[in-house]
Amino acid sequence: QVQLQESGPGLVKPSETLSLTCNVSGGSIRSNYWSWIRQPPGKGLEWIGYIYYSGSSSGSTNYNPSLKSRVTMSVDTSKNQFSLKLSSVTAADTAVYYCAAYDTSSYNWFDPWGQGTLVTVSS
Amino acid sequence: DIQMTQSPSSLSASVGDRVTITCRASQSIISYLNWYQQKPGKAPKLLIYGASSLQSGVPSRFSGSGSGTDFTLTISSLQPEDFATYYCQQSYSAPFTFGPGTKVDIK
Repeated sequence: QVQLQESGPGLVKPSETLSLTCNVSGGSIRSNYWSWIRQPPGKGLEWIGYIYYSGSSSGSTNYNPSLKSRVTMSVDTSKNQFSLKLSSVTAADTAVYYCAAYDTSSYNWFDPWGQGTLVTVSS
Repeated sequence: DIQMTQSPSSLSASVGDRVTITCRASQSIISYLNWYQQKPGKAPKLLIYGASSLQSGVPSRFSGSGSGTDFTLTISSLQPEDFATYYCQQSYSAPFTFGPGTKVDIK
């Protein structure tokens, strides 16, 4: 059974780059699509993007156009991890960030999810 | 982008009540509609995928229906552990979008 766990700094300064990693256990990073989703405190869910390992660490990606200019996702097969980088952050990027498996077997859904990690953007 | 709306935004109900939550998409998404349950401080949990398929391990009191633009999530007999926020999500086309959520609390 696949399990996911996010890790990374909980505090990032404005204009800097947010970097998070999702460790995948119980399954291979090569055999699925992987996604990032965020949730500002007290608000709803926003899909950030997904990545699929296609033979290189940069993978095959699809990003939310609202964030595309600032987002980079990558895969590290040696560590069975995937990562998120979000550049030029502002207070509006303060959120709980979740990683999730994106199942494309039929109707496509996010399952399972990591427990989430709160990232606060503040000086 | 496909916009998702939910109604009501919140509701109060008692244990044993039948609860129905509605989700509407801004265009047809066929049956590419998923439902998630989120409890405070926890990650969302998949309940229903493909509009009406129950995820493994999810109690049968949860059911989903609909196609095209209009969908419903029904809890046939509300249990204490069902008090949570429920989100619909379309997986028809990227960017994948979620509804604003429906909070179910205790009357």
